[in-house]
Formats: sequence, structure tokens, C-alpha cells
Amino acid sequence: GQNIDQPTEMTATEGAIVQINCTYQTSGFNGLFWYQQHAGEAPTFLSYNVLDGLEEKGRFSSFLSRSKGYSYLLLKELQMKDSASYLCAVREDTDKLIFGTGTRLQVFP
Amino acid sequence: DVKVTQSSRYLVKRTGEKVFLECVQDMDHENMFWYRQDPGLGLRLIYFSYDVKMKEKGDIPEGYSVSREKKERFSLILESASTNQTSMYLCASRLPGQYSNQPQHFGDGTRLSIL
Repeated sequence: GQNIDQPTEMTATEGAIVQINCTYQTSGFNGLFWYQQHAGEAPTFLSYNVLDGLEEKGRFSSFLSRSKGYSYLLLKELQMKDSASYLCAVREDTDKLIFGTGTRLQVFP
Repeated sequence: DVKVTQSSRYLVKRTGEKVFLECVQDMDHENMFWYRQDPGLGLRLIYFSYDVKMKEKGDIPEGYSVSREKKERFSLILESASTNQTSMYLCASRLPGQYSNQPQHFGDGTRLSIL
């Protein structure tokens, strides 16, 4: 079956580093996406991994291990505006994305 | 810049009504998608379309239909609205499958309440 797991909620302090984990079991794999979604707004694209390893994009990095069915999103130098939900999504063999339920991150001063 | 526009941010309808949710994209994308988003359940795919007049069922198509008469427009139809269809509805579009690293781009969503 299809299953994507990520923590429901996380909290962190401004200026800190936080890692949001995502594990997946899907029938096919053709890439993993991370999206950010502020309350009441559209999800916006953050990163894409299809090969094992780390992809860095400014303060955000994303890691993938296909053999372990595991990814994480790393946020550095946290800012208050990073308070949002972070969605992990796996692309199967077609264009379909399977989404996790999202991790709600709260950043405190 | 990428733009996916959903016709309404908030909508209130009554049980049994036929409801139309409209989505327009200006990026000439072939692929378009309709999701609903519910607390604790995440985004779930209702229907998607690879091209004009083509449609494929997603994971939860029951009670819904879609229409894609023009490339830029993808409509979601609730044939006879029920209270369990109260939800946030999100439309998305992307380039076709060979552009595998291209993400889906989302509209701002329609919060639909069925009374």
C-alpha cells in the first residue's frame, strides 16, 4: 500500500536549526517533493530530490535515501516567517503525487 | 510567473445543490489536478487531467466529476453536494511527465461549506 509518514507538529526557536523527517512506502518512486504551506494559503514548492543525497537551496536543504524510503527537510537560521506546514509528497510512476499529512512547524522568538 | 487561479476563495452551498469549482492556469500546462485538503488527512487527489477532454480518477472520485474543455481550464463538479464534501479544494497544474523535476503549482484554494 501507499504510506507517507511525517510528524504532526514541531516547535523550534528563532535562529535554530530544525529537521523534518519523512518516511515513505509507495508502489513506485519518481521523485520526492517538499512544499511549504502557510495557513490559508496555497502550498508552494521548496525542493525536489530524485537521487540519493543532499540538495541545498539557501537556508533550506533536503536529503533523500531511496533504499531507506527516507527524506528530511533541514531549515537553518529559523525565522518567524518559517512558521508553516511542511508537506512531503512522493511522485509515483505517473504524474500523481502522494502527500503526507504535513508537519506543522511553530517558530518561537 | 506561474499563476493558478481558482474562481472563489469561500463558497457556501446547500445540500443537494450542483456545485461548480473553476480553475484557470496561464502557463500552458498539459496536466491539471483537483485535491481536497482536510485536517489530519492531508491532500487527497480527486481527479486529474493530462490533456483537453481527458480525465483520470484519483483516489477519492466518488461524488465528483470534472470537465476540461479548454487547456487552461479545469472544472470540478459536485453533482449533488453533501455535508461530507465540506472541505478546502485545491487546484494544481504542471508540465507533463517527461519534465520530472517540475513541481505542481497550486491555486489559493476554495473553502467550500455545504449546509
